[in-house]
Amino acid sequence: GNSVTQMEGPVTLSEEAFLTINCTYTATGYPSLFWYVQYPGEGLQLLLKATKADDKGSNKGFEATYRKETTSFHLEKGSVQVSDSAVYFCALSGTTGNEKLTFGTGTRLTIIP
Amino acid sequence: NAGVMQNPRHLVRRRGQEARLRCSPMKGHSHVYWYRQLPEEGLKFMVYLQKENIIDESGMPKERFSAEFPKEGPSILRIQQVVRGDSAAYFCASSPPGFGQETQYFGPGTRLLVL
Repeated sequence: GNSVTQMEGPVTLSEEAFLTINCTYTATGYPSLFWYVQYPGEGLQLLLKATKADDKGSNKGFEATYRKETTSFHLEKGSVQVSDSAVYFCALSGTTGNEKLTFGTGTRLTIIP
Repeated sequence: NAGVMQNPRHLVRRRGQEARLRCSPMKGHSHVYWYRQLPEEGLKFMVYLQKENIIDESGMPKERFSAEFPKEGPSILRIQQVVRGDSAAYFCASSPPGFGQETQYFGPGTRLLVL
């Protein structure tokens, strides 16, 4: 079955540091890949997505590239801010549309001023 | 366009009581998903519904849990005879109809505490 392996946290960085959160997946076919962000006490917000190999999703300075050869979808940001402190989830969906999401365990990110 | 709405946001129940969680999808969305998040864990899929149909309930516990999405009104996740292990955040997501890999949009969640 489908699975997502996500970089263990927590991760603590100083403001303006470079961020990488690793995510690898196992799936049949060509799933869509997502990064969701969860702020304290809130639901999940879609951060970015990619639907096919070599696609790059980007939003709010975050980027992730769908790498089929390495089955990876690592999240990166060049200069983090305190407001980026949250839990980040990597997820994939099935290949036939409107299917359940399979999530990684989440990575808690804390940015120190 | 209002987002996915869930109520109540917080629910406290004693062991043995029933919990009813409601989810109103975004306007125009006919697909609803329920996920459960245990403390310090990721989200786990429970059930996928379309109007009046359960499409995939492979993540639902076999007993005490049920879900519906009637023709009119919100989707309901019902937990009978709750136990302490049911304490979790329950999130609903919705997506529009389609044949592609549609993005799911999440509600704020219902945090259930069983005493």
